Amino acid sequence: SYELTQPLSVSVALGQTARITCGGGNIGGKFLHWYQQKPGQAPVLVIYRDSNRPSGIPERFSGSNSGDTAVLAISGVQAGDEADYYCQVWDSSTVVFGGGTKLTVL
Amino acid sequence: EVQLAESGGGLVQPGGSLRLSCAASGLNFSDHYMDWVRQAPGKGLEWVGRIRDRAHSYTTEYAASVKGRFTLSRDDSTKSMYLQMSSLKTEDTAVYYCATVGHFGDYEHWGQGTLVTVSS
Repeated sequence: SYELTQPLSVSVALGQTARITCGGGNIGGKFLHWYQQKPGQAPVLVIYRDSNRPSGIPERFSGSNSGDTAVLAISGVQAGDEADYYCQVWDSSTVVFGGGTKLTVL
Repeated sequence: EVQLAESGGGLVQPGGSLRLSCAASGLNFSDHYMDWVRQAPGKGLEWVGRIRDRAHSYTTEYAASVKGRFTLSRDDSTKSMYLQMSSLKTEDTAVYYCATVGHFGDYEHWGQGTLVTVSS
């Protein structure tokens, strides 16, 4: 079965750029989506189809997807960006989520 | 504004059954595939299953972990989706979310979730 690999945690200083990776075989050939989840809340879509932002998501959020790695980048990180982030694809009639990355803002 | 509201969660004994509901508003429900996604306490997101729209014969897909025990259904006339869960196990304990499936397989809209606890 297909697997997506994310780092357990990423730390970034306030105002800097955070990069969260999502790895999977030929992930660049799939539509890759990113979600932000804060404690006690439902996930929120922040990037869809690799690099597209839904309405209401700040331009600070961007995504890329090529080869075996997708990246979610958050520039000018704010304290409110501290959350868990999940990547997601559809593969072989199933939805696959990455294990999630906890973003800590220092 | 799109709203999804899950209901039906609660405490159930192992081996028992439970039916979750997802009520939608603010969207053309009948045009959307709908999914259930769950999250065990302190864990990540896990896909449960999908039900497609009428144009795709309301076909369903299930995660291996629930196949044969869970059944998805929908009623487009009331903009509702259901998850019938049977032979429940302790590992089914989770918050269950319903979500709309976007054109690219993304989840644009989520409900607030309903907690299912399987315990004796």
